[in-house]
Amino acid sequence: DIQMTQSPSTLSASVGDRVTITCRASQSISTWLAWYQQKPGKAPKVLIYKASGLESGVPSRFSGSGSGTEFTLTISSLQPDDFATYYCQQYSRYPYTFGQGTKLEIK
Amino acid sequence: QVQLVQSGAEVKKPGASVKVSCKASGYTFTTYGISWVRQAPGQGLEWMGRISPNNGNKNYAQNLQGRVTMTTDTSTTTAYMELRSLRSDDSAVYYCAREAGGGYYYDWGQGTLVTVSS
Repeated sequence: DIQMTQSPSTLSASVGDRVTITCRASQSISTWLAWYQQKPGKAPKVLIYKASGLESGVPSRFSGSGSGTEFTLTISSLQPDDFATYYCQQYSRYPYTFGQGTKLEIK
Repeated sequence: QVQLVQSGAEVKKPGASVKVSCKASGYTFTTYGISWVRQAPGQGLEWMGRISPNNGNKNYAQNLQGRVTMTTDTSTTTAYMELRSLRSDDSAVYYCAREAGGGYYYDWGQGTLVTVSS
């Protein structure tokens, strides 16, 4: 199975900050990577697909990059609504796997 | 619009089975795969497996092989996930999700809480 490792596990930041979350795959997944945002009690919401594709309706302050084994999600200027947990997911091969999550907290 | 509506919360005893349904609407059911993802309390997302409604092809997570069965009923556009020999660590919210192009998930069900307790 492909292991997905996110860092950091927790991130404290302030409104207006630029933040970056990293996701590493245990083997190459090309660009078959998605990023999700999840808020308590809600289903995940996709932000980024195919490593850098911005899903329709997602604010442009979210961006994704990377290929192979290393990927990043960047939020250019944090807004109050962005404090949530973020997950990466590889869909290169079965079984699909998720990272363990990064909780973005208000500093 | 696309909707995935799941069945209600369940409480089961250890060793029992649970079957969760996911009623799909708003798109051609046989065109997109359905996956199941679970989330234990306070934990991350765990991919359980997926099924193609058009041909029944399935892929399951290794750790659930032998205990999980995913099926679809194209006449009612409903997907099902059955998990057997339940243990306390199977207590989780179970989500169905429709695969977008390639294998990521745009549409999700509302989640079904399954509690396993004696």
